[in-house]
Formats: sequence, structure tokens, C-alpha cells
Amino acid sequence: DGGITQSPKYLFRKEGQNVTLSCEQNLNHDAMYWYRQDPGQGLRLIYYSQIVNDFQKGDIAEGYSVSREKKESFPLTVTSAQKNPTAFYLCASSIEGLAGGKETQYFGPGTRLLVL
Amino acid sequence: SQQGEEDPQALSIQEGENATMNCSYKTSINNLQWYRQNSGRGLVHLILIRSNEREKHSGRLRVTLDTSKKSSSLLITASRAADTASYFCATVHTGANSKLTFGKGITLSVRP
Repeated sequence: DGGITQSPKYLFRKEGQNVTLSCEQNLNHDAMYWYRQDPGQGLRLIYYSQIVNDFQKGDIAEGYSVSREKKESFPLTVTSAQKNPTAFYLCASSIEGLAGGKETQYFGPGTRLLVL
Repeated sequence: SQQGEEDPQALSIQEGENATMNCSYKTSINNLQWYRQNSGRGLVHLILIRSNEREKHSGRLRVTLDTSKKSSSLLITASRAADTASYFCATVHTGANSKLTFGKGITLSVRP
């Protein structure tokens, strides 16, 4: 099956702790994205990557970090600097990057992050 | 803000009725997309309409785009209980580094 997987489904973070959310895709897509969704809200872009070894900040990058060492993988780290991390995190991928590509994004099932 | 705004925020209808959802935006777009999200799940792409298109159909879905009014509508005909979900419009605005900008969504409830 082709698609995007995210793990874990639920993640608990203690104060001062960094946690990493996994996102893997086997769609052979160049571009990958991380969004944050708060209750009753739309999606806000955290980071995106149009190609391996390159990524750009989105609208709310503070307190987050990413890496793109492989085409299939785009992990997101929520650092201790993110003071309000409780949210639903969605990873997506698309065939083209943001600059030239205006096409469909395919989403993973999401990770819900909760603070203990 | 380039964010699209959906209207209404919530919609409750009887099974078999049609559901109409609207989206407005502020700056010129390359395309507009509608997505669906079931509770606690990821988003699923429904339909994409480009700025030079006025109407598109996909099964029971009909999307219109009026660039002069900067608005779009999504019509779901003959609704089913399984259509209960949140629906988001997302716009790709023209210009360098254009990105997909989501609205806050419309919660649709279809009563059996």
C-alpha cells in the first residue's frame, strides 16, 4: 500500500522534554510538510521541505525543528522551547514543492501530542 | 491574512438533503482545493479547481469558483450520514513560494 504513516498516534511530553514525531511516505513525493491543528481550527504550516537536505520555515516554526536526510522521511522535533505544544500534528506530502507546485497534498493519520 | 474563510461554521442537515458550503478568500489564487477530515483523522483531498475553471464535478460533489467575488462553494448532493465530517477549503495563492493556506473548516452533521 502506498501512503503516509505517522507515529506514534499519541505522544506524551513532560515539561522541558524534546519529543520527535515520525513521518514516512512511500509515494515517491519530493515535497513534505508539517502542520499543526488546534481544536476547531484550520491547519497551520510549521515546516516544509521541497527536496532532500533542504527545508523551510512555515508560519509557526518557533519551538520546532526538522530534518530531511531521506526522501521518504521528514521527522518533526517539538523542543522544550515550544511552550504550548498540545495539538494534533499532521504530516503531508505532494508531488511538487510549494514554489512551483500547487497540487494535491496527501495526509497522514496524525499524531496527537499531550503535555503531562 | 490570506486565509480562506468558510461559511457556515457548522451545518446540520437530514440525510438525502443537499449541503452547500462556502469559502471566501482575499488575494488572487492559482487554485482552490476542498478537503475532508473525519474526527481525529488526517485530511483527504476531495477536489481541486484552478483559477481558470468555473465549475467541477466529482461524483456527488460540485465545486464552483467565482474569482471576481473571490469565493467558492462546495455542494454535496443527496447527503449520507457518512458525509458527516469537517470540510476545509485551501487556497494556493499566486506568487513566489505560494503555499496551501487552510480555512478553519465547516462541521457538517448529516442526520440519519
